[in-house]
Amino acid sequence: GQNIDQPTEMTATEGAIVQINCTYQTSGFNGLFWYQQHAGEAPTFLSYNVLDGLEEKGRFSSFLSRSKGYSYLLLKELQMKDSASYLCAVRDTAGGYNKLIFGAGTRLAVHP
Amino acid sequence: GAVVSQHPSRVICKSGTSVKIECRSLDFQATTMFWYRQFPKQSLMLMATSNEGSKATYEQGVEKDKFLINHASLTLSTLTVTSAHPEDSSFYICSARVGEQFFGPGTRLTVL
Repeated sequence: GQNIDQPTEMTATEGAIVQINCTYQTSGFNGLFWYQQHAGEAPTFLSYNVLDGLEEKGRFSSFLSRSKGYSYLLLKELQMKDSASYLCAVRDTAGGYNKLIFGAGTRLAVHP
Repeated sequence: GAVVSQHPSRVICKSGTSVKIECRSLDFQATTMFWYRQFPKQSLMLMATSNEGSKATYEQGVEKDKFLINHASLTLSTLTVTSAHPEDSSFYICSARVGEQFFGPGTRLTVL
């Protein structure tokens, strides 16, 4: 089966650092993605991990441990515009083709 | 990045009518497109995988006779919600993959 867990809501202060965790269980695995989604808009791509370790891209970093079925998204120097939902998604290879399965999303509120 | 468009962006219809949503890849060809549905404050749920020139692959619990998918060309997939009811009101998002997965801007369907 497929199961992707992430916290429902988080709050943080402008300028601070926040870490959003994601754990997953899927039949097949071919990469983990993080997306940002503002209310009423489509998701936008943030990061992709397929090998263990840390991927850094500006203020955003993402980490993956395949053996633990665990990932996190790290946001540094938080800005008010970072208030959004952050979606953890796993590319599942079950059934012979790749499909992206999403977690429920973490709603992040950044306050002054 | 690659651009995916959707039309219409917003549609309101009466119960019992059918609604067609178009998804286009504007600057690349996509043999596979994906259709997702998102209810308020919930994550994206994969409905079906649309394959160019063949039948779509539906996820468990999604009625293929109600949600008709046609992938007539390498740049166009359509989703038709037949005999729509208020419970079908949702945000419908398509995506296409070329390397990473790109999302369209979404279509907000409201069934009265």
